Amino acid sequence: NFMLTQPHSVSESPGKTVTISCTGSSGSIASNYVQWYQQRPGSAPTTVIYEDNQRPSGVPDRFSGSIDSSSNSASLTISGLKTEDEADYYCQSYDSSNAVFGGGTQLTVL
Amino acid sequence: QITLKESGPTLVKPTQTLTLTCTFSGFSLSTSGVGVGWIRQPPGKALEWLALIYWDDDKRYSPSLKSRLTITKDTSKNQVVLTMTNMDPVDTATYYCALTPTIFNWFDPWGQGTLVTVSS
Repeated sequence: NFMLTQPHSVSESPGKTVTISCTGSSGSIASNYVQWYQQRPGSAPTTVIYEDNQRPSGVPDRFSGSIDSSSNSASLTISGLKTEDEADYYCQSYDSSNAVFGGGTQLTVL
Repeated sequence: QITLKESGPTLVKPTQTLTLTCTFSGFSLSTSGVGVGWIRQPPGKALEWLALIYWDDDKRYSPSLKSRLTITKDTSKNQVVLTMTNMDPVDTATYYCALTPTIFNWFDPWGQGTLVTVSS
């Protein structure tokens, strides 16, 4: 089964830039769109990136997404980190028309 | 404004069947491309996709749970129902429904989620 692998946790200081990776286990991650969701404790996930690199309205341009076919991975980059960015982040894509979520990355801003 | 809300029992016994309803507003499940999905999250763990139903009644299920899941829609009531058979304590989780505006795309927005505990 297709899997998306994320680092369990990352940490960075306010004002810095952090990148979270999401690696596909097989096939080409570029074959289907990748989305990124932010989840704060006790809340439902919200979208920060959809269709690989698109930001929903209201999401600051500090959030960006990209695809690297050579490493079969997607990345979420958050620049100018703020304490409010501290949350869990999940990547999501599809495999044979089935949705797949990554295992999530806990971002600590300290 | 698009909203979704999950409803159903908060406690089920092992071996029982769980039935959850997603009631939505602000969109129609008869619009081409639109779908509603179910995703769950055990306490402290990751999101897990369960099932999807599209406007044309195409249904998709998680391969690992396919034998236990059934998803249906009632377009006139703006509802999507998920049933999961043979519930086990490991199925304890918050269950979310979410809109997918086009095929093979993002889930947004999500409902607030409903916590289902499986215990005797």
